[in-house]
Parts: sequence; structure tokens; C-alpha cells
Amino acid sequence: KNEVEQSPQNLTAQEGEFITINCSYSVGISALHWLQQHPGGGIVSLFMLSSGKKKHGRLIATINIQEKHSSLHITASHPRDSAVYICAVRLGSSGGSNYKLTFGKGTLLTVNP
Amino acid sequence: DAGVTQSPTHLIKTRGQQVTLRCSPKSGHDTVSWYQQALGQGPQFIFQYYEEEERQRGNFPDRFSGHQFPNYSSELNVNALLLGDSALYLCASSKAGEQYFGPGTRLTVT
Repeated sequence: KNEVEQSPQNLTAQEGEFITINCSYSVGISALHWLQQHPGGGIVSLFMLSSGKKKHGRLIATINIQEKHSSLHITASHPRDSAVYICAVRLGSSGGSNYKLTFGKGTLLTVNP
Repeated sequence: DAGVTQSPTHLIKTRGQQVTLRCSPKSGHDTVSWYQQALGQGPQFIFQYYEEEERQRGNFPDRFSGHQFPNYSSELNVNALLLGDSALYLCASSKAGEQYFGPGTRLTVT
């Protein structure tokens, strides 16, 4: 079983819809990252979370440490949001110098106009 | 600040050849990690360098080696290339919890 599980694997939405992508992990972590990757492209960091909630524009990320679960929400989705969204966790306790990330398999989001 | 830069962007090699990929970290970052992302898969951790030493290593054979220079830039070397080494190679630089990714080098082995 993968240490990081994402759902759904694929998601198709209409422009304007509210999107939720989920990430669950099975081990203790010091941080969780949400990343975006356009087809054939590199990776862009969206958020790094260790607790609570963060918002940037139309993107919101939340994490529940006790439940080992995080969600990425996109409000008023747009075709340019179409990409693979990847959840990655940094294992271990906070304050450590281990930056190794363990990745989920990603969620392919397609937003149709 | 240019962020994390990688070179080259694309590379085509033949089986059995050797390749060197380069990464310059974001200004102020002292840790560099390398990841391999095969087509349709999530990135897999190769290794991490800090203070010019390999600090952690993933499940990759010894054909994969690296180096970090005093200016924190890093190289990834792959010897005796196999078709299965075709992938996007990502470099990430880190300091104090923040982590930034480079655009990647796409390696094709024919």
C-alpha cells in the first residue's frame, strides 16, 4: 500500500465548478505539499502545510493531522486549472533536516469550458 | 532570483551511454534532492545532498550517482543507460522547510 493515497485519480469538471482533491497518508509527517504539474511540464509548488488551512487565490488547502488527511479545493474552476495535482509528504518530525518527499500518484484534473 | 534551474531541458542518449544532469538551487538553499518521474507516474526519490554529501538515498542502483559543489549546485550522473531510465528528472532545492522544484530535464534513452 502506498504511503500516500490520492483520490480521485481522474476528475473532469465543467468550468465554474468547485473541485476537491483528497490526500490520505499513513505515517507521521512534518509537512504536506500540494503540487501542480501541467502535461509535459515541471512541478510547481502550490502549498506547504503542517496544520490548518492556507488560501491562495482560488486555491484552498486544508490538513487534518489527527485524521492524516488533506484536501485541495479549487473554487470557480477554469480550463487553465487542468493539470495533474500531486500530494507529497515530508516524513518525520518538524524541525528536522530531512527534505525527502514521498509522492502520491496524482490526480488528473480536466476542466471543460 | 531565478529559482531552481536545471540543464539541459531535453536530452537524447543511447543505451549504454552516460549522462550528467545539472541543477542550480534557489538562492539561499543548501539542500538539493533529485527525483525521477517516469511517464504517468509520480516522482520517485533518488537521493539528497547537503554540505556536499549524499545524506539520503532512495531505491536506485549505483549507476545513479551525484555530487554537490561548494556553491550548492548539484549534478546527477547516470551510467550505462537503460531504456527504462527514460524519464523526467526533477531537482528540488530546500532550506528551512520550504522546497522548490526546477522545471526538470527530460531524458530519452533510445
